[in-house]
Amino acid sequence: GEKVEQHESTLSVREGDSAVINCTYTDTASSYFPWYKQEAGKSLHFVIDIRSNVDRKQSQRLIVLLDKKAKRFSLHITATQPEDSAIYFCAASMSQGGSAKLIFGEGTKLTVSS
Amino acid sequence: GGIITQTPKFLIGQEGQKLTLKCQQNFNHDTMYWYRQDSGKGLRLIYYSITENDLQKGDLSEGYDASREKKSSFSLTVTSAQKNEMAVFLCASSIGTGNTGQLYFGEGSKLTVL
Repeated sequence: GEKVEQHESTLSVREGDSAVINCTYTDTASSYFPWYKQEAGKSLHFVIDIRSNVDRKQSQRLIVLLDKKAKRFSLHITATQPEDSAIYFCAASMSQGGSAKLIFGEGTKLTVSS
Repeated sequence: GGIITQTPKFLIGQEGQKLTLKCQQNFNHDTMYWYRQDSGKGLRLIYYSITENDLQKGDLSEGYDASREKKSSFSLTVTSAQKNEMAVFLCASSIGTGNTGQLYFGEGSKLTVL
């Protein structure tokens, strides 16, 4: 079945620097790629997504890039702030007979130090 | 806005015990999900439901039962708790089936088996 892998289990950056989290997926039928953030002691919440009809999407300091040929997508956080510290999960969705479900990566713990 | 409420927040059980977790959402979403979160393993789908009385197995359904009693509620039963098991169970909901919009997560139910 579909697998989603996050290449960095932990990532540390200095405040103001950029952070990049990379994910790969296995199923070429995947068409929807969301990212979720989990702050310490809290549940997950959605941050940004990208669909397979585009290769770049930006929302304020967050940029998502999608390379369908390489089956790779990445989250870029620019001008990082301490409140960006969290675990970030990438996910991919494929359709099977009309239904769909998200497959999540293992998570990347981002630490932004001031 | 809406909210997803999971009960109980903490659950302590004995080996072999049947344990039930409950989830309520007031988003009026069609689809509800149960995920298991283990440290370092990301989220794995146990069951999901696309409408009242519907059940779809995820990758981790063995050892669990689920019930979608009505549109707003989705319960999960651990049929026989495993000794020393520790995990967080996350309930989520979405308008569609994962490929059409974001998931909204509850705060989680932490299970400890003695």
